[in-house]
Amino acid sequence: DAGVIQSPRHEVTEMGQEVTLRCKPISGHNSLFWYRQTMMRGLELLIYFNNNVPIDDSGMPEDRFSAKMPNASFSTLKIQPSEPRDSAVYFCASIMGGVKGSNQPQHFGDGTRLSIL
Amino acid sequence: RKEVEQDPGPFNVPEGATVAFNCTYSNSASQSFFWYRQDCRKEPKLLMSVYSSGNEDGRFTAQLNRASQYISLLIRDSKLSDSATYLCVVRYSGAGSYQLTFGKGTKLSVIP
Repeated sequence: DAGVIQSPRHEVTEMGQEVTLRCKPISGHNSLFWYRQTMMRGLELLIYFNNNVPIDDSGMPEDRFSAKMPNASFSTLKIQPSEPRDSAVYFCASIMGGVKGSNQPQHFGDGTRLSIL
Repeated sequence: RKEVEQDPGPFNVPEGATVAFNCTYSNSASQSFFWYRQDCRKEPKLLMSVYSSGNEDGRFTAQLNRASQYISLLIRDSKLSDSATYLCVVRYSGAGSYQLTFGKGTKLSVIP
């Protein structure tokens, strides 16, 4: 079975440019999560969706970050304009779970390594 | 104060050694507990869930102490392939019950 698929794997761009990260969750999973990982702060939840609806975006650092999930098989995380401090590894994860939550493990994609120069 | 705290290490141990990692969490409403493993430049993967009574999976033993808000992971007979960062993960109950909070991880290096 295909796991969570993220693209691109690596992105290097200049500050001020728009960056779009993409994620395809595991088929049948109804919850999707975007995380950011840095050495200083570890793995931080940015936003998560349940049944394509954003449930909690309190982890989104600022208005430059936005995320969408137009359908059950696709999500994007956009940074506009990008800044050097946005450099990190961005992970997408998915899970099958009901409204009450789930003890099932989250399945992570390979991540996007983002470098803003 | 960070919600999930771990000793960052690194722990450098010889093959065959037993090593233990500890983790503390601050929210007493925590509901579920996990250990994830993350290899260098890879994604985190679930190693094992942690149950109230403690649980074992081969060379790995996880313990939970709710009163002290403390979780541990014991690795016996360490292998070179155990070298990785081990993330302590807590899920809180409540409206946002999907949310996992990750510790920053403990790095383990098993040396030949």
